[in-house]
Amino acid sequence: DGGITQSPKYLFRKEGQNVTLSCEQNLNHDAMYWYRQDPGQGLRLIYYSQIVNDFQKGDIAEGYSVSREKKESFPLTVTSAQKNPTAFYLCASSIKGLAGRTGELFFGEGSRLTVL
Amino acid sequence: AQSVTQLDSQVPVFEEAPVELRCNYSSSVSVYLFWYVQYPNQGLQLLLKYLSGSTLVKGINGFEAEFNKSQTSFHLRKPSVHISDTAEYFCAVSFPYGGSQGNLIFGKGTKLSVKP
Repeated sequence: DGGITQSPKYLFRKEGQNVTLSCEQNLNHDAMYWYRQDPGQGLRLIYYSQIVNDFQKGDIAEGYSVSREKKESFPLTVTSAQKNPTAFYLCASSIKGLAGRTGELFFGEGSRLTVL
Repeated sequence: AQSVTQLDSQVPVFEEAPVELRCNYSSSVSVYLFWYVQYPNQGLQLLLKYLSGSTLVKGINGFEAEFNKSQTSFHLRKPSVHISDTAEYFCAVSFPYGGSQGNLIFGKGTKLSVKP
């Protein structure tokens, strides 16, 4: 079955540590996204990538980094510079291109990061 | 600025009662509209979408939504809810001809709580 796989589902980290969240998709989608979700705040865009080896900052990119070396993979690193990293992180993908582009997103199951 | 407003952060309702979750957006150009559902500790799942054509859109699990261009609204409805509909619902909009680079803009979510 095609879909998006995020790992780990739960992650604990000590302050000052970097952590990397994995996101893999086998939908052959061009674009991939990372969102952060906090209670009552909806989804906020961290980074997105429309093509391999290229990515753009979203609304809250500070303290995060990404890479897009392969079409299928878009890992997110939460660095020690992120002041309040405890949150639920969602990876998503979408078809990109001039034809049939609707913006519809397909989501993974999420990763919950807790900083101790 | 382009934005999405979900007018109710929480909606409690009794089982088998009808429900309406309200969503308004701000835009003077064409839009695509989406409703997603999120169950606890899971990713988002597409309920329904409006791209063009009939303004009444039917989705999964008996939900439907009506696009009202003059009122810039896309309210979600279900005539009779079940306990299993308890979840958080997100309205989202994309702008196919510009704005946000085609990315989805999400509302802050409405938590639907169905009581027996």
